[in-house]
Amino acid sequence: GEDVEQSLFLSVREGDSSVINCTYTDSSSTYLYWYKQEPGAGLQLLTYIFSNMDMKQDQRLTVLLNKKDKHLSLRIADTQTGDSAIYFCAESLAGGYQKVTFGIGTKLQVIP
Amino acid sequence: NAGVTQTPKFRVLKTGQSMTLLCAQDMNHEYMYWYRQDPGMGLRLIHYSVGEGTTAKGEVPDGYNVSRLKKQNFLLGLESAAPSQTSVYFCASSLGETGTGNYGYTFGSGTRLTVV
Repeated sequence: GEDVEQSLFLSVREGDSSVINCTYTDSSSTYLYWYKQEPGAGLQLLTYIFSNMDMKQDQRLTVLLNKKDKHLSLRIADTQTGDSAIYFCAESLAGGYQKVTFGIGTKLQVIP
Repeated sequence: NAGVTQTPKFRVLKTGQSMTLLCAQDMNHEYMYWYRQDPGMGLRLIHYSVGEGTTAKGEVPDGYNVSRLKKQNFLLGLESAAPSQTSVYFCASSLGETGTGNYGYTFGSGTRLTVV
């Protein structure tokens, strides 16, 4: 079945780049997502990528997809204290109702 | 610009009590979902709905019921609360079919439920 794996914790210094990694098992996954959850809040969609893309950039965020290795990463440039949150990787197929499988979340701690 | 609104935000129940969690969205989304979030378990889908009047079971439906009488509302009911249902509950909605402009979910801010 589908599975999405992430490391639990990442600590970086303010101003450095953060790289959060994710692996998934379903090779037919069509959409891959990154969500951000701040303390006491719901998940917020940050960005998504189609499986036929290798990279997507959106301001400070860069998503890299290695479809062969089923590896997805989120790079945050110039990490700020406001980036401290839990980041969830997720994947789904396309068409109709498709189950979205979420990873367990990576807690990013930004040290001032 | 409300998005997805959940009520209540916090609740403490005694074992055996019942309650209903309300989710309302103002984005005209077709699909709605209820998740629970537990430490070390990530997000687990309880029930979902692909349109007004429809509901379907997710991964962990036991002990919960849902209704979608109006497109904008999705209710989650606990008939007889148990300590194992202590969790943070999130409602989410999405435009419709995955793809063709529907990318990702919009989540509410959650309901923190404690069953004692």
